[in-house]
Parts: sequence; C-alpha cells; structure tokens
Amino acid sequence: AQKVTQAQTEISVVEKEDVTLDCVYETRDTTYYLFWYKQPPSGELVFLIRRNSFDEQNEISGRYSWNFQKSTSSFNFTITASQVVDSAVYFCAGARQLTFGSGTQLTVLP
Amino acid sequence: EPEVTQTPSHQVTQMGQEVILRCVPISNHLYFYWYRQILGQKVEFLVSFYNNEISEKSEIFDDQFSVERPDGSNFTLKIRSTKLEDSAMYFCASSPQGDYNSPLHFGNGTRLTVT
Repeated sequence: AQKVTQAQTEISVVEKEDVTLDCVYETRDTTYYLFWYKQPPSGELVFLIRRNSFDEQNEISGRYSWNFQKSTSSFNFTITASQVVDSAVYFCAGARQLTFGSGTQLTVLP
Repeated sequence: EPEVTQTPSHQVTQMGQEVILRCVPISNHLYFYWYRQILGQKVEFLVSFYNNEISEKSEIFDDQFSVERPDGSNFTLKIRSTKLEDSAMYFCASSPQGDYNSPLHFGNGTRLTVT
C-alpha cells in the first residue's frame, strides 16, 4: 500500500513571500512517480508537475520549484514570490491509482 | 489544448434515484478514470477503465456503481440508487498510458448533491 501525507492543512502567507508545501510519500515500490496538482476555488484539478523516483534533481519552472529526496520520501513544492492567484488547495499524489494526499489550503493575502 | 469535458457541472437528485455522470475523455487517450471528492476532503480513486473493461476499482466502488463506454467518445459513471453520502464532486480523467506514470488529465468535475 502507499500513503501520501501532507501534514500542513492550511498555510497563509502575505503576497511576495516564499512558501513551501510539504509532502511525504510512503511506498514499497522502488520506482514510482509523484505528482502535484492544484485545485483553485473554481474546483478543477490542474496538473503541475510529475517526478520519478530515480531523479532527485531539483526542478524549477518559473516561480515554482520542486525538491525530491528519496531518502526521506519527501517531495516538497516551493512557490517563490507568491501571488494572490496562487491561492488554492495543492495536492501531492503518488502513482498506483494516483493516491492523493489530503491537500494543503494555501491562502495568499494581498 | 484538448481537454476532458464533464456534464452536467451540477446535478441534484433525490435519495434512491439513479444518476448518470457523463464524461468525454481526450480523444487519443485509452485509459479512463473516475475519482470522487467529498466536500473539503481528499480526492479518492474510484475506478479505472481500459479496453472496455474495468482495470482496477477501489472499495468505494461497490455494486451501486457502474461504468460504461457506450460509444467511441463517452465514458459514464452510473450510481444506481443514490445515498446522501454519495454527495461529492466526481472527476473524470483520462491518460494515454495506464501505468500512472503519465499525468492524468482531469475534467472540471460534476458536483452531485443527493437530497
């Protein structure tokens, strides 16, 4: 069985602050993929990034960056210089039936 | 960019009634999925479908649920006799591969309210 843990249920920051969302993925699989999805207030699920377990290079895409460390099973997501439009629920998910974490509600205040 | 479309966006039904939620996956995708999100909770896997049959299903997907691909474009989720606890957002998704290593493309969801 696999388990995705997002310990932060809610985070609130002021615009332009950096924020890191934590995710821990537990599985017996030796190779696997992890994903981050964003769910804005409108409700849809938007794919952000996919990462495989044998690639621990950090990835940066604009204001987003991801840090995957297999030794700690963590796949953390950082938003630099946050904006109000980043306010959403962010889900980490692991492969195998795409198991979702419980999500982190990020609120960015103006 | 091609997208997964779901209809209706909101469905209200009475307890005990049958509902059919409809989805049109991305046209060249072969793997289809239904997920459920009870308000304020996590997104939960219901079922995956490939080659006109169920590949996997969760324990949530009991005999009250069924899926069908009635033609070459639609993918439907039927709930035979709805219960209050079936109230949730239902997401359809599709992907070109079935190994969960390709990102799933989700529709905008159907909000089901059972009264």
